[in-house]
Amino acid sequence: NAGVTQTPKFRVLKTGQSMTLLCAQDMNHEYMYWYRQDPGMGLRLIHYSVGEGTTAKGEVPDGYNVSRLKKQNFLLGLESAAPSQTSVYFCASSTWRGAGGSYEQYFGPGTRLTVT
Amino acid sequence: DQQVKQNSPSLSVQEGRISILNCDYTNSMFDYFLWYKKYPAEGPTFLISISSIKDKNEDGRFTVFLNKSAKHLSLHIVPSQPGDSAVYFCAAKSGSARQLTFGSGTQLTVLP
Repeated sequence: NAGVTQTPKFRVLKTGQSMTLLCAQDMNHEYMYWYRQDPGMGLRLIHYSVGEGTTAKGEVPDGYNVSRLKKQNFLLGLESAAPSQTSVYFCASSTWRGAGGSYEQYFGPGTRLTVT
Repeated sequence: DQQVKQNSPSLSVQEGRISILNCDYTNSMFDYFLWYKKYPAEGPTFLISISSIKDKNEDGRFTVFLNKSAKHLSLHIVPSQPGDSAVYFCAAKSGSARQLTFGSGTQLTVLP
C-alpha cells in the first residue's frame, strides 16, 4: 500500500515549456486534489476532483489544467510554464465518511518545480 | 482574504516543555478542523482533528482545543521532543464541502 505517489519528484522547466505531473493513489479514494505550496502562503488549492471524469477549480487555477480519466490517477498540466509557477506541488486524496464523520486528506511527497 | 490564519510563522521551545500552536479562523461555517505536520521534502501528514461539536480532542502528547466563540483553535504538544520540529498547518472544512482551507503554517523548533 503506497498511499499517494507523485511523479516526478523534481523538474526544471524553461519559460513556455509544458509538462504534466502525475498523481496516483491506491486507497480507492473518490476525491483528489492538487495544491501548491509557496513560502508564507500555506497550501493553496489549484484544482480538485470529486470523482472519475469530474474536475473543478480551486483557489488558484489559472495556468493549470487537470484530468481524472481513472479513479486512481489525477494529472496536473502546465501548458506554458511561467516563473510564477515555481513552487512545490502536492497531490492529496480523501474519502467521505458522511456528515459528522472524520475527514482527512492524505498527501503525496511533493514535486519541486522550478521554471527559469 | 485568509479564512484560516496562523499568525506566528515560527516558535521555539525547549525539549520537555509545552508547545502551543495557534490558529484563528473567520468563517463561521467551518465545522471540522485538522492539524497537519510537515517535515522538509515530505508531504504533510495528518496529526489530529476536532469537530465543532467538541471543544477538546486528545491523542497521546497532542491535544487540540477549539474555542468557537473566539474562532480560535490551538494545538498543545506535551512534552515537546526534538522530533516534533516541523511545520504545522491548521486546516478547516465547512459542512459537506470536500475541501480544506489551510493556514500558512508555523515552524516549530524544539531545542534539545
